[in-house]
Amino acid sequence: KNQVEQSPQSLIILEGKNCTLQCNYTVSPFSNLRWYKQDTGRGPVSLTIMTFSENTKSNGRYTATLDADTKQSSLHITASQLSDSASYICVVNDNDMRFGAGTRLTVKP
Amino acid sequence: NAGVTQTPKFQVLKTGQSMTLQCAQDMNHNSMYWYRQDPGMGLRLIYYSASEGTTDKGEVPNGYNVSRLNKREFSLRLESAAPSQTSVYFCASSEARLPPRNEQFFGPGTRLTVL
Repeated sequence: KNQVEQSPQSLIILEGKNCTLQCNYTVSPFSNLRWYKQDTGRGPVSLTIMTFSENTKSNGRYTATLDADTKQSSLHITASQLSDSASYICVVNDNDMRFGAGTRLTVKP
Repeated sequence: NAGVTQTPKFQVLKTGQSMTLQCAQDMNHNSMYWYRQDPGMGLRLIYYSASEGTTDKGEVPNGYNVSRLNKREFSLRLESAAPSQTSVYFCASSEARLPPRNEQFFGPGTRLTVL
């Protein structure tokens, strides 16, 4: 069983709408949790990083939250744009990087 | 700075053929990694090199070999390709192997099909 589970697998929203992606993990303890964005045909690029003691981190229209008690993280995207269409990958880092399978987001005009 | 570069971008092989995937980074990073990405699965680590001169197996090393040629370059070799090795391969690098300096930077990937 994967130690990092993401939901939903895929999501379609209209441009300008908000959305929230979920990440549940069993890795414990860990050093940090990252969200990566992966455009089609490209490698993943880091969006946010949170340490165990942080519970929120923003990067422009992207806001990540972390609840270490329930072992959940979320990525909230505000006022979505067409360029937000991508896969979003949750990665929990102990001494290895534990990758979720990703959520495929499609933003339609 | 080009970051992490990979060649080739695409490759089609027949079962039993061999090939080498090349990776280079220009960020003076110590650690380098090879992953494969399959539909519906997270990135899985094949091999990594924590520092120049060392290599170690990851989660799925069978059927692969690696060479850390120098600090910049880390290659992945398939000696006898199998259809199960059809995948997208990513190379990554990081300043260090362990936190807090282990943020990984990824290359653009190589899409490999084995017939």
